[in-house]
Amino acid sequence: DGGITQSPKYLFRKEGQNVTLSCEQNLNHDAMYWYRQDPGQGLRLIYYSQIVNDFQKGDIAEGYSVSREKKESFPLTVTSAQKNPTAFYLCASSILPGANTEAFFGQGTRLTVV
Amino acid sequence: DQQVKQNSPSLSVQEGRISILNCDYTNSMFDYFLWYKKYPAEGPTFLISISSIKDKNEDGRFTVFLNKSAKHLSLHIVPSQPGDSAVYFCAASDVRISGTYKYIFGTGTRLKVLA
Repeated sequence: DGGITQSPKYLFRKEGQNVTLSCEQNLNHDAMYWYRQDPGQGLRLIYYSQIVNDFQKGDIAEGYSVSREKKESFPLTVTSAQKNPTAFYLCASSILPGANTEAFFGQGTRLTVV
Repeated sequence: DQQVKQNSPSLSVQEGRISILNCDYTNSMFDYFLWYKKYPAEGPTFLISISSIKDKNEDGRFTVFLNKSAKHLSLHIVPSQPGDSAVYFCAASDVRISGTYKYIFGTGTRLKVLA
């Protein structure tokens, strides 16, 4: 059963701590993405990766870091430098190459800073 | 700078009637457009898409219209059903021009279909 798995579903972090969100896909997709959803702000792109060992910053990369050591995995670390980390985080993947393909999303991780 | 805009945060429609969700974009290089449906605390699911070489794409009850000169697209749902109640996001990409595989999303429109 192919898909994208995000874990955990809920995550609590103390202020000043780094935390890593997991994203794994078995769709054999080349591209992977991290988005953040806040109320009234839609989905904003944090980082994206088109190929293993390569990734680019999205619109709101400050305070986040990623790695892409394996095709199927794209973990996101929320660092203590992220000023407002409480949000719903969504991971997605899509096929490369060729245009006109959709991105498939995981079920999301809700991060709360306590 | 919001490149993809959904100016209506919410929309209520009677069951059986047509729902029309609108989306505007500013980047003329966008060449592929998508609509997603999202329930609370879940990931978005893909609904329908359209390439910039077309002006209409249909899939069952869902039709997307693209007006490139106006930089506007719309999603029509006919007939609307209570299960359609969700937040709808439009998204765009310019992958064939830029070679960069990323999707830019709007802020979403919450559709409520009244029984």
